[in-house]
Amino acid sequence: GIQVEQSPPDLILQEGANSTLRCNFSDSVNNLQWFHQNPWGQLINLFYIPSGTKQNGRLSATTVATERYSLLYISSSQTTDSGVYFCAVEVWTGNQFYFGTGTSLTVIP
Amino acid sequence: DTGVSQNPRHKITKRGQNVTFRCDPISEHNRLYWYRQTLGQGPEFLTYFQNEAQLEKSRLLSDRFSAERPKGSFSTLEIQRTEQGDSAMYLCASSFRVGQGDYGYTFGSGTRLTVV
Repeated sequence: GIQVEQSPPDLILQEGANSTLRCNFSDSVNNLQWFHQNPWGQLINLFYIPSGTKQNGRLSATTVATERYSLLYISSSQTTDSGVYFCAVEVWTGNQFYFGTGTSLTVIP
Repeated sequence: DTGVSQNPRHKITKRGQNVTFRCDPISEHNRLYWYRQTLGQGPEFLTYFQNEAQLEKSRLLSDRFSAERPKGSFSTLEIQRTEQGDSAMYLCASSFRVGQGDYGYTFGSGTRLTVV
């Protein structure tokens, strides 16, 4: 099956700092989504981004499907950004999303 | 619409017992997914429904697991003869699928199962 790797696995930021999270995948994908799992376990959809760039407030994401990676940018981080960020991909031949290993982010005040 | 609702939030059961979880998706969504998540891991796909039809099942879904979605509305996931290895968070998600696009992917809060 497809491999989805995220880096870094863990990240600690001072409030106000910027960061970039990366997702690499081993095969062509049909869909890609970024999720945030907050410390209470709730998964929130951040972006549906099979290709191109999207922005939503302090967050933006870019997927370069031909090079099999996606990036999530967090600017001016806040403590509420803490949690685990997952990227999930769907291959062309299937209808299920494969989740990456996650990046655990801690933002300290 | 209040999002994807899952019940119960927590379930503790003795090994060998049967358990059933319920998921109420967002009403406009035509797809419903079940995932399992263990500590420190990302969610793992179990199965999904397009309206009332169950179209794909993961190899993780052993014969002890069964899912239904009568009339394309809510869904239930039943685990028979539970084992300690079934302890996990069971997540439901729904989305609106149009062609190859998957929109509004929304997860419920999950049901945490503990088998003792």
